Amino acid sequence: GQNIDQPTEMTATEGAIVQINCTYQTSGFNGLFWYQQHAGEAPTFLSYNVLDGLEEKGRFSSFLSRSKGYSYLLLKELQMKDSASYLCAVSHQNSGNTPLVFGKGTRLSVIA
Amino acid sequence: DAGVIQSPRHEVTEMGQEVTLRCKPISGHDYLFWYRQTMMRGLELLIYFNNNVPIDDSGMPEDRFSAKMPNASFSTLKIQPSEPRDSAVYFCASSRPGGETQYFGPGTRLLVL
Repeated sequence: GQNIDQPTEMTATEGAIVQINCTYQTSGFNGLFWYQQHAGEAPTFLSYNVLDGLEEKGRFSSFLSRSKGYSYLLLKELQMKDSASYLCAVSHQNSGNTPLVFGKGTRLSVIA
Repeated sequence: DAGVIQSPRHEVTEMGQEVTLRCKPISGHDYLFWYRQTMMRGLELLIYFNNNVPIDDSGMPEDRFSAKMPNASFSTLKIQPSEPRDSAVYFCASSRPGGETQYFGPGTRLLVL
């Protein structure tokens, strides 16, 4: 079976750094994704990790450890507009273009 | 370039009625996915297509749900008859050949009374 766990809610202060963790157990692994979803909107792609290590993209970074079934999304210099749900998703088949299995999302609230 | 297009954006219907949701994937993308999102279950795959052919429909809840992709630029998801528990946001997503990233449409917010 497929199981993806992430915290339900987090709160952080504007300008701070926040780390959102994700653990997964899947049969097969072809990459881990992070999506951002603002309330009432569609998920939008943030990052993709297929190899172990850290991928940095501006204020956002994503880390993957395949041996531990663990990833995190790091958001720096938080802004109010970063208040959203962050979805961890795994592509669990050993080829591209496969459906994603999503965690239930972490609702991040950025406060002043 | 236009993103994934879905219609309608909102649908309110009564139990027992037929509902048809529509999706136009990004041009050149040959994978199309239908997902459903609810508060309780999160985002779940219903069915996906490759080159207009259904590959995996194991996520379709029951026979009341059906999906088609008659050509590369159009897909429908039909619910007949609809029930209140079908109320959710339905997303369509597409990805390009050999690509991993899926791009989501704006979703259809369905309410069945």
